Amino acid sequence: GNSVTQMEGPVTLSEEAFLTINCTYTATGYPSLFWYVQYPGEGLQLLLKATKADDKGSNKGFEATYRKETTSFHLEKGSVQVSDSAVYFCALAGANTGNQFYFGTGTSLTVIP
Amino acid sequence: EAGVTQFPSHSVIEKGQTVTLRCDPISGHDNLYWYRRVMGKEIKFLLHFVKESKQDESGMPNNRFLAERTGGTYSTLKVQPAELEDSGVYFCASSQGAGTGELFFGEGSRLTVL
Repeated sequence: GNSVTQMEGPVTLSEEAFLTINCTYTATGYPSLFWYVQYPGEGLQLLLKATKADDKGSNKGFEATYRKETTSFHLEKGSVQVSDSAVYFCALAGANTGNQFYFGTGTSLTVIP
Repeated sequence: EAGVTQFPSHSVIEKGQTVTLRCDPISGHDNLYWYRRVMGKEIKFLLHFVKESKQDESGMPNNRFLAERTGGTYSTLKVQPAELEDSGVYFCASSQGAGTGELFFGEGSRLTVL
């Protein structure tokens, strides 16, 4: 079946620290992989995506590389800011999922000044 | 351009009562989805409309849940009668295509069943 496992939070970091949020997946076929972010009081927004193996998605200083060999899509940022405080969701979707999105449990990140 | 809007933002009801959640998708988006996040768990798919037709409702938990999208515009999700385990955040999302493009989400409707 299809599923996404991401590291549990909450995660608390100081400003300018390095961020990694781990995400691994199980899927039939070759899905696209996504990171969505939910800022306080807002809906989920697409942060970045990758559609095939070895693709790197990037946006707002965040990056994630689609690793087929390790079935992973870890989210990284070199220097977090207070404004990055949010809940981050890893997700997959593809033809073999009936185009349904499968989400992880979400990881809450708090960045302190 | 307005985004996906959901109403109400928070509803508190007693077990056995009825609640109706509403979603207005982005204008022109034929695809509309309902998802649910129970406390601390993953966001789970409930169903998918293409215009007014239910394309996939495999995620609907049981027959206490009824979704409609009359006229292919806004959608409602009714829970009747509500049970304690229905508590959670209900997200609506819309997209132009039904592939793995971007989903645009609303802020969610938080349902608390006491």
